[in-house]
Amino acid sequence: QMQLQESGPGLVKASETLSLTCTVLGASIRYSEYYWGWIRQAPGKGLEWLGDIYYAGITQDNASLKSRVTVSVDTSKNQIHLKMTSVTVADTAVYYCTRRPVQKCTGSGCTTYLDQWGQGTLVTVSS
Amino acid sequence: QSVLTQAPSASGTPGQWVTISCSGSGSNFGFYAISWYQQLPGTAPKLLIYNDNQRPSGVPDRFSASKSGTSASLAISGLQSEDEADYYCATWDDSLPGWVFGGGTKLTVL
Repeated sequence: QMQLQESGPGLVKASETLSLTCTVLGASIRYSEYYWGWIRQAPGKGLEWLGDIYYAGITQDNASLKSRVTVSVDTSKNQIHLKMTSVTVADTAVYYCTRRPVQKCTGSGCTTYLDQWGQGTLVTVSS
Repeated sequence: QSVLTQAPSASGTPGQWVTISCSGSGSNFGFYAISWYQQLPGTAPKLLIYNDNQRPSGVPDRFSASKSGTSASLAISGLQSEDEADYYCATWDDSLPGWVFGGGTKLTVL
């Protein structure tokens, strides 16, 4: 049974860089059928996609975050990393590591979905 | 403001059938399948429905979903107290590009 385990500082100061690690247990990141990524949820709010990465290094990220987000992968450690620069109190949230199958497309449409989630880690940004 | 639109709340009594709706636009609903996620209080979201209407192994068949045009709905039959949770719809939006979510519907079992 695979698990995603987030780790990192629970408190970050405003204007600094938030760094989180997701360790993948029970599966290899090198398995080519998946993207690995990050989603966050501010307290009492909905879900916001931050970005994801394919093991070969292909990344996609949320343009609304204005390039503050970098998702990277360390296949030797089976880990995914998240860096978010210039954080503000608005970045206070639970950060989830996720897995999704590579999109499959047919004539009638495409499909992908978030089939694995970590338990999440709360990051508080202090002013 | 979420790209996909969901009613903020829904409710039902045990045993009832309830539906939760989700609406979007052509850039997301037009070509990409919808997935639904259940978030029990204090826990991470969990995949409930994928490919518009498919249930992962382990999800009870009380949960079903459908999609038509730019609308989708999640149906729960035989409502149980343990179904009390937040429910999110999601899909890929080509215009961004990226994942988009509904704002979530909080389901209360009365």
